Amino acid sequence: GESVGLHLPTLSVQEGDNSIINCAYSNSASDYFIWYKQESGKGPQFIIDIRSNMDKRQGQRVTVLLNKTVKHLSLQIAATQPGDSAVYFCAENLPYNNNDMRFGAGTRLTVKP
Amino acid sequence: EAGVAQSPRYKIIEKRQSVAFWCNPISGHATLYWYQQILGQGPKLLIQFQNNGVVDDSQLPKDRFSAERLKGVDSTLKIQPAKLEDSAVYLCASSLGNRLTDTQYFGPGTRLTVL
Repeated sequence: GESVGLHLPTLSVQEGDNSIINCAYSNSASDYFIWYKQESGKGPQFIIDIRSNMDKRQGQRVTVLLNKTVKHLSLQIAATQPGDSAVYFCAENLPYNNNDMRFGAGTRLTVKP
Repeated sequence: EAGVAQSPRYKIIEKRQSVAFWCNPISGHATLYWYQQILGQGPKLLIQFQNNGVVDDSQLPKDRFSAERLKGVDSTLKIQPAKLEDSAVYLCASSLGNRLTDTQYFGPGTRLTVL
C-alpha cells in the first residue's frame, strides 16, 4: 500500500504486505531528515535518518528514499506487521534556523491481520 | 536504561488557570527539548536547552509560556494563563548533545485539556 502523506493521512495494509509512506518536505535547504513512529499514548520514536547527500538508506525492514529534485521523502516498510500500526512522521532539519527539526502532519498506518 | 520521564500524564484545567509540567531526561543527556503536539499534527518545538542554557526559544509564546532547567537536569514548562488553544500533548525529549545526528528520545507526554 502507498500514501501521499499530507493528502491521504491514513494508510491501511494487509499484514505481510509492503508499506510505502510518503512525505513532501518544505525547504530545499533542508540537509537532514528523520522518520519517526508514534504509537498511541507514546512519544515519537526514531526509526531511520538520511542526510541530503544520500538518496537511499536501509535499516532493518525499513528503507528511506530521498528525492531532492521534487523534495520528496518516502519510508518503505517490508513485510508489515501489526506492531507497525502507528502514526509516522517525517521531520526535516532547517540548517539556517538553529537546526530546527520541523515535523510533518503524519500518516496513520493500520495493519490488518 | 530509563527513558524520559514526564508528569503528570494528564491535566485538565479551565482557561486562565496556570499549569506546570515536569520532565526528567535520560541520565547524562545535555540537551532537552519541549514540544507541543496539537491533535492531528506533528510536534512543534517550543524550546531547546543545552545544559541549563537556552539554545532556541524562537517558537515559545513568551507572553504566557516559560520554561527552566536550573540545574541542567530536570525541566519545568509553565503556562500562565492558559487558553483554549493550548490544549495539546506536551512532549519532552532529550539527546546526548545538540549535534544534528544526536538522536532525540521522547517521553510519553502530558495531555493538557483546557476547558
